[in-house]
Amino acid sequence: EAGVAQSPRYKIIEKRQSVAFWCNPISGHATLYWYQQILGQGPKLLIQFQNNGVVDDSQLPKDRFSAERLKGVDSTLKIQPAKLEDSAVYLCASSAQGNQPQHFGDGTRLSIL
Amino acid sequence: GENVEQHPSTLSVQEGDSAVIKCTYSDSASNYFPWYKQELGKRPQLIIDIRSNVGEKKDQRIAVTLNKTAKHFSLHITETQPEDSAVYFCAATDNYGQNFVFGPGTRLSVLP
Repeated sequence: EAGVAQSPRYKIIEKRQSVAFWCNPISGHATLYWYQQILGQGPKLLIQFQNNGVVDDSQLPKDRFSAERLKGVDSTLKIQPAKLEDSAVYLCASSAQGNQPQHFGDGTRLSIL
Repeated sequence: GENVEQHPSTLSVQEGDSAVIKCTYSDSASNYFPWYKQELGKRPQLIIDIRSNVGEKKDQRIAVTLNKTAKHFSLHITETQPEDSAVYFCAATDNYGQNFVFGPGTRLSVLP
């Protein structure tokens, strides 16, 4: 079984620029999550999709972050414009259903200059 | 919303000793409690999980206990080995997988 795929692995941008991350979940997994993990902290849920619908986006900074999962499979997370405090690892995870084990991708390490 | 606390933040044990990490949660609707291990620079990986209809679950050297009344759950690692060194995260969510919250993590160091 192929795991959760994420790209790119690393991204360096200047503040106020925009960036996008891509995630392809495990085949058949209905639930997809985006997390932000700042160095030394636990993952913080940004947004949770069930198929192509949003279940929870209460911690997504909607003035600058957006995410979509149009066909209920892969997903993109965008930041525009980026701030210095957005420097973090962005993790994507998927699960068969919402209260099932989550499988994580390798993440995208974002550095803001 | 859910709040998950985790203690201790760092833990050092001698190889072969046991390690215990404790978490508390606030939302009585939470009923699924996974534990993840994250090695430096790698993805979090599920090591064990427990649901509210079970008080204890064991998998070889790893066990998890749950006290729903007190709203706390613990990870127990016996006969620790150097490869157990990592950051461990607890998490909690409800029956619908909503309000999924991670604890702040415990850095475990197993000293040879």
